[in-house]
Amino acid sequence: SQQGEEDPQALSIQEGENATMNCSYKTSINNLQWYRQNSGRGLVHLILIRSNEREKHSGRLRVTLDTSKKSSSLLITASRAADTASYFCATGPTRGYNKLIFGAGTRLAVHP
Amino acid sequence: DGGITQSPKYLFRKEGQNVTLSCEQNLNHDAMYWYRQDPGQGLRLIYYSQIVNDFQKGDIAEGYSVSREKKESFPLTVTSAQKNPTAFYLCASSIEGGPLETQYFGPGTRLLVL
Repeated sequence: SQQGEEDPQALSIQEGENATMNCSYKTSINNLQWYRQNSGRGLVHLILIRSNEREKHSGRLRVTLDTSKKSSSLLITASRAADTASYFCATGPTRGYNKLIFGAGTRLAVHP
Repeated sequence: DGGITQSPKYLFRKEGQNVTLSCEQNLNHDAMYWYRQDPGQGLRLIYYSQIVNDFQKGDIAEGYSVSREKKESFPLTVTSAQKNPTAFYLCASSIEGGPLETQYFGPGTRLLVL
């Protein structure tokens, strides 16, 4: 079962623009993570935000988490063609082992 | 270099055949995972292992089997019982398998049915 759902499914922007992707989930979480996947490759971890955090930054990435709305957003500022990839949110459980539940992803295309 | 390797990159399976996908890590991680990814979809957990000689079924374990005889290795066998095996298979690891850990992924194996 998929816990997270990303929105939009696909996003096409020009270089220099900002890209915003959203993730909604259904049950209580311990943390929410964002991963990036280049076409035909493995996933790369971008950022983890804990359930008691509201915002986190890493370079050009900004993640917010609203546990009352069960949603998160990933903002990529000043996008580059190299940011073209699929982005997945994954929710971590409130207890037990590290069973991440992934959404279907947002495909981002950044055009030069 | 530390990391996770998967082999082969592409694998072809004939009808009724079992095939084994390799996953090796030199990160000294205790926990390892196998995921399946279908086109346009997220990852679904097949099996996971938090320690050597122990593993647990994930959400879609039917038609798959694993072993964990060494800390570094977590091979996945796709058996003939898996009727729709065509997919992209990803192996991952994390330090101990705790709930706040990030996972490190291999480059994946694409399995195709002949």
